[in-house]
Amino acid sequence: KQEVTQIPAALSVPEGENLVLNCSFTDSAIYNLQWFRQDPGKGLTSLLLIQSSQREQTSGRLNASLDKSSGRSTLYIAASQPGDSATYLCAVYGGSEKLVFGKGMKLTVNP
Amino acid sequence: KAGVTQTPRYLIKTRGQQVTLSCSPISGHRSVSWYQQTPGQGLQFLFEYFSETQRNKGNFPGRFSGRQFSNSRSEMNVSTLELGDSALYLCASSSLAGTYNEQFFGPGTRLTVL
Repeated sequence: KQEVTQIPAALSVPEGENLVLNCSFTDSAIYNLQWFRQDPGKGLTSLLLIQSSQREQTSGRLNASLDKSSGRSTLYIAASQPGDSATYLCAVYGGSEKLVFGKGMKLTVNP
Repeated sequence: KAGVTQTPRYLIKTRGQQVTLSCSPISGHRSVSWYQQTPGQGLQFLFEYFSETQRNKGNFPGRFSGRQFSNSRSEMNVSTLELGDSALYLCASSSLAGTYNEQFFGPGTRLTVL
């Protein structure tokens, strides 16, 4: 059974820092991995989707990498801003044919 | 292009009642998936519909059911509500079948069971 872990559960940083968010998964036989952002009381916003054949994807200040063999993905946020404050979730799709989510990491960027 | 819409946004019910939630996908999207989000369990997959057919189902009791209409709109029904059903229910749409495709989420329906 696929399990997705995000550690730490929460992070508070000053504005301007470069951040690395971690995601690990137990079954390396995945089809793809997605990173989402969730603002309080809101739905999820897709940030990046990495196919299993890719090693990384970039969008603006965001860069996500994928290492299937070690069961890890990282989301890099450059020059963090208060508007980046949200909960970040990663999800993997594998043989179960359903997205399996981590419990998320709550990020607070202080001005 | 309008995003995924869910109605109602908030709902309060009592134990034993039943509830129906609605989801309208992005225009042109034929896949709709439903998820339950709770503080303890996080986000859990409920089911996926594509072209009016259920493609996949998560590990939830039979009290949770859904359907999809010919216009791709989907409804989710929960019968005999329990306190533990209190959660944020999210739906997501995708242009293709399979939750491996990029999912676009709606704002959710917050269900409170008293």
